[in-house]
Amino acid sequence: KAGVTQTPRYLIKTRGQQVTLSCSPISGHRSVSWYQQTPGQGLQFLFEYFSETQRNKGNFPGRFSGRQFSNSRSEMNVSTLELGDSALYLCASSPQEETQYFGPGTRLLVL
Amino acid sequence: GIQVEQSPPDLILQEGANSTLRCNFSDSVNNLQWFHQNPWGQLINLFYIPSGTKQNGRLSATTVATERYSLLYISSSQTTDSGVYFCAVVGDSWGKLQFGAGTQVVVTP
Repeated sequence: KAGVTQTPRYLIKTRGQQVTLSCSPISGHRSVSWYQQTPGQGLQFLFEYFSETQRNKGNFPGRFSGRQFSNSRSEMNVSTLELGDSALYLCASSPQEETQYFGPGTRLLVL
Repeated sequence: GIQVEQSPPDLILQEGANSTLRCNFSDSVNNLQWFHQNPWGQLINLFYIPSGTKQNGRLSATTVATERYSLLYISSSQTTDSGVYFCAVVGDSWGKLQFGAGTQVVVTP
C-alpha cells in the first residue's frame, strides 16, 4: 500500500495570507490527524477527523481549520498567517483506534 | 491532558554501544507509540506498544502500563540510528497523540 502523502512539501507565504495543506491517507484508513511541529513547542495535536467528522481538536486558534472528504482525504487551512505559524505540519492516518502512520510533512515558512 | 516526559533529552553514543530511552506518562493510556524522526522530518513508526514487550531487530521496547512508563532499547547502535526518538500516547481521546519532547541521539563512528 502507498503511504500517507502530503502536498505541497514546501511552502513560503507572507503574513496575512492563507494556506491550504492536503493529506491523502493510506487506503482504507478512515482517521486522519494533523500535528504542528516547531522547535519551541515540539509536536502538538491540531485536530482529528474520522468519517468526515471532527472528533478531537487541540488548543489552536480558530484560524486553524480542517475538513475531511468522503474518500478520507483531508485538508487543513490556516487563515491570516502569522510568523509563528512557520512549522512542519504532519498528517497521520489510522485504520481505527490504533497505530498512526505519518506522512512526510509540509514545511511552511511565513515571511 | 496527559503529561509525557522523556529522558535523557540528549544521548551521545559510540557505534556498537547499547542504550535505553525512557518515557514516563502521567495517566493511563490506550495507545503508546515510539517513533524515530529522520533528518527530513518524517516520523517513522518503531513500535505500537500500549503494554508488554516487543522486539524488532536491534530495537526492543517494553511498556509497564501499571507503572506508567515505557523503555526503548537500542542495541549495537549504528550511525543510522542517529535522530530524535519520540514517545507518544493516547488517553481517552482516540486519534490524539500526546508527544514527549523527544530524545536526541547521536551515534558517532
